[in-house]
Amino acid sequence: EPEVTQTPSHQVTQMGQEVILRCVPISNHLYFYWYRQILGQKVEFLVSFYNNEISEKSEIFDDQFSVERPDGSNFTLKIRSTKLEDSAMYFCASRPGTSGTDTQYFGPGTRLTVL
Amino acid sequence: QKEVEQNSGPLSVPEGAIASLNCTYSDRGSQSFFWYRQYSGKSPELIMFIYSNGDKEDGRFTAQLNKASQYVSLLIRDSQPSDSATYLCAVDNYGQNFVFGPGTRLSVLP
Repeated sequence: EPEVTQTPSHQVTQMGQEVILRCVPISNHLYFYWYRQILGQKVEFLVSFYNNEISEKSEIFDDQFSVERPDGSNFTLKIRSTKLEDSAMYFCASRPGTSGTDTQYFGPGTRLTVL
Repeated sequence: QKEVEQNSGPLSVPEGAIASLNCTYSDRGSQSFFWYRQYSGKSPELIMFIYSNGDKEDGRFTAQLNKASQYVSLLIRDSQPSDSATYLCAVDNYGQNFVFGPGTRLSVLP
C-alpha cells in the first residue's frame, strides 16, 4: 500500500541553523500539507500546497518557513533560522483531492530538536 | 478561529468494554469529520471518516455524527489493550486543511 515517507526521522540542530525536512507524498495525490505537533500538544496546521504553490498557510508559517516541490516526488519544508520553540514533530500529509471523502494520509514524522 | 474540542482523558475502560470518545466543533458549516489514532511518538493513523448525519460502522468502530448539535463521536466495541492510544478528531476546513482537536487518551485495562 502506498505511503507517505519522511526523512530524516530525527534532526538535531543548533539554534539559528537552517534545516530542511523532506517528504515524499503518495504518488497520485495532488494536495500536500505540513503539520507540527509540539510534545504534549495538538496537531497544528502549517501550510498546504497544490499545483506548485501554497494554497493556505497558518499564522505559525511565518517568513522563517518555506516549502518547495523541487521535483516530481519530493516536498520539502525549510526553516531558515531555527528557534528553540521550533522543537516539535513535523508531519507531512498528502490527499488525493479535497472532496469530503478524501482523507489526509500522514507520514511517520520528523522529530526536530533545536538546542 | 475554528475550534475542535475533546475531553483530554485519560479515559480508562476494561478490556472487552465499549469506549466512547466525543468531539464537538465550532463551525456549523463543517461537512466532513475524521477520526485518527495516534500512538505515543507516532503519526496519526486514520480510523474512519463520516460526513452524513447518523452512524457509520467499520468493524469494531462506529462513528456518529449530529450536525445540529455539532457533535461527533467514536465508539470502540470490544476494546483491546492494543487500542490504548490517543484518539484525534479532525474537521475538514473546507478542503484547505484539517483542524485537529487535542485528542483523548484512551487506556484499555487488561
